[in-house]
Amino acid sequence: GQNIDQPTEMTATEGAIVQINCTYQTSGFNGLFWYQQHAGEAPTFLSYNVLDGLEEKGRFSSFLSRSKGYSYLLLKELQMKDSASYLCAVYGGATNKLIFGTGTLLAVQP
Amino acid sequence: DVKVTQSSRYLVKRTGEKVFLECVQDMDHENMFWYRQDPGLGLRLIYFSYDVKMKEKGDIPEGYSVSREKKERFSLILESASTNQTSMYLCASSPSLGAPGNEQFFGPGTRLTVL
Repeated sequence: GQNIDQPTEMTATEGAIVQINCTYQTSGFNGLFWYQQHAGEAPTFLSYNVLDGLEEKGRFSSFLSRSKGYSYLLLKELQMKDSASYLCAVYGGATNKLIFGTGTLLAVQP
Repeated sequence: DVKVTQSSRYLVKRTGEKVFLECVQDMDHENMFWYRQDPGLGLRLIYFSYDVKMKEKGDIPEGYSVSREKKERFSLILESASTNQTSMYLCASSPSLGAPGNEQFFGPGTRLTVL
């Protein structure tokens, strides 16, 4: 079967660092995406990993370990506007469809 | 900027009505997708299309059909709306199905309520 797991909710403090984990089991793998979705809005693209390692993009970084079926999104210097849902999604190799996790709702507190 | 637009942000329909949700993208993308998003279930793929007049079932196609007569437009049809189809519907497009790494661009969503 195909399964993507992420924590349902997380809370962090403004200015801090938070790591959102994602584990996956899919029949194939052609890459992993992270999307950000503010309440009532469309998901927007944050990052893409297809090879093992860390991809850094400003305050956001994403890590992938294909052998472990594991990724994380790292958010540094948290701001209030980072309060949102963060969606992990995997491109399954056999179908080329994007499979989404249920998302992690991050609340940033002052 | 890639723009994906959906015909309505909010829609209220009655059980048994036929419902049309329209999606238009302006970036000449080959692929278009319809998802529904429900609390605790995440985004689930209903149908997708990789070319004009082509369609493929997603994970939850029952109760839905789609139409793609023009490259820029992808319509989702609920033939006879039911209360369990109350949900947020998101349309997305991407430039190529066979090239992983091509992100999907999402529309703003249509919140459909079926009474």
